[in-house]
Amino acid sequence: DAGVIQSPRHEVTEMGQEVTLRCKPISGHDYLFWYRQTMMRGLELLIYFNNNVPIDDSGMPEDRFSAKMPNASFSTLKIQPSEPRDSAVYFCASSRRGVGWQPQHFGDGTRLSIL
Amino acid sequence: GEDVEQSLFLSVREGDSSVINCTYTDSSSTYLYWYKQEPGAGLQLLTYIFSNMDMKQDQRLTVLLNKKDKHLSLRIADTQTGDSAIYFCAENGDRQLTFGSGTQLTVLP
Repeated sequence: DAGVIQSPRHEVTEMGQEVTLRCKPISGHDYLFWYRQTMMRGLELLIYFNNNVPIDDSGMPEDRFSAKMPNASFSTLKIQPSEPRDSAVYFCASSRRGVGWQPQHFGDGTRLSIL
Repeated sequence: GEDVEQSLFLSVREGDSSVINCTYTDSSSTYLYWYKQEPGAGLQLLTYIFSNMDMKQDQRLTVLLNKKDKHLSLRIADTQTGDSAIYFCAENGDRQLTFGSGTQLTVLP
């Protein structure tokens, strides 16, 4: 079975450029999560969706960050304009709803470097 | 608020047992999880335990849950070099998972 698929795996770009990260969740999962991982702050939840609807975006750092989920099989996280402090590994995860929270399954992440 | 704490580092000799500890604060957690992260990879679900259980065993992995003390541990028997990774404990709070900071396990030959 295909897991969560993220692209690109690596992105290096200059400060001020727009960055778009992509995620395809596991088929049949109705929850999708975006995380950011840094050495300083660990794993932070940025936003999550249920049935394509954003439920909690309180972790989104500022207005430069936006996320969309136009359908059940695709989500994007966009940073515009990007800044060096946005450099991190960004993970997408998906899960099914069940009794309590079901385990989240993670993609391999996008390693983002802003110069 | 919800908080999950883990020690940052653990070193063991190959063949020994490893015990990684975690404390959490949300007593309403239904499940508690252990994830493993290898370099350059995402988090891989290792195992999880339902909050009404005390113990769960899965091959070399044993999870112990002390609900009274809100303490969770992961024991890895016969630790191998391939077990070197970061291990994250996580609890499901009211609306989402809360992860600990991760424990870097180093297995020495």
